[in-house]
Amino acid sequence: NAGVMQNPRHLVRRRGQEARLRCSPMKGHSHVYWYRQLPEEGLKFMVYLQKENIIDESGMPKERFSAEFPKEGPSILRIQQVVRGDSAAYFCASSPPLIGEQFFGPGTRLTVL
Amino acid sequence: KQEVTQIPAALSVPEGENLVLNCSFTDSAIYNLQWFRQDPGKGLTSLLLIQSSQREQTSGRLNASLDKSSGRSTLYIAASQPGDSATYLCAVSPTDSWGKLQFGAGTQVVVTP
Repeated sequence: NAGVMQNPRHLVRRRGQEARLRCSPMKGHSHVYWYRQLPEEGLKFMVYLQKENIIDESGMPKERFSAEFPKEGPSILRIQQVVRGDSAAYFCASSPPLIGEQFFGPGTRLTVL
Repeated sequence: KQEVTQIPAALSVPEGENLVLNCSFTDSAIYNLQWFRQDPGKGLTSLLLIQSSQREQTSGRLNASLDKSSGRSTLYIAASQPGDSATYLCAVSPTDSWGKLQFGAGTQVVVTP
């Protein structure tokens, strides 16, 4: 059973461009979570999704950030018009329903020039 | 507002010693508590999950206890090895939003040969 997959592992964008980060959950997992780890800071929750539904987006910045988990395909975290402060490691996690243990992917390290 | 604190921030021990890592949280209304390790530049590896109704969990050399009423959890690692060197993170999941893990800042552990 493959683990949580994230791609790309490293992403470089210039200010004002868009960043798309992808996450494929573990097989059988229907819940996906996104977290951000800013340099020298702890991990912060961003959003919790189930297929075609956003369950909790209380940690998402109000502007420029969006997330989806379509019926088919990976979950996508989209950052529009990136700024230098968006440079961070973005981690995706998944869990099976009703159990709660979250399994993390290797992360995408976003650098904004 | 839930706050998760890990003490100490860093720890260095000689190989063979037992490790004791502490995690405290301010709000006892938690769904579960999870311990992770993070290696530099990598994702998180789940070590142990303790449900709120449990007092402890064990896996190999690892044992984690949970005292919800006092807001504390302790991770014990027996007979430490250099391969145990990593940052250890604890995270709690609140009962009103169980998908939203809230992390401590971590304890950085170095085990010297």
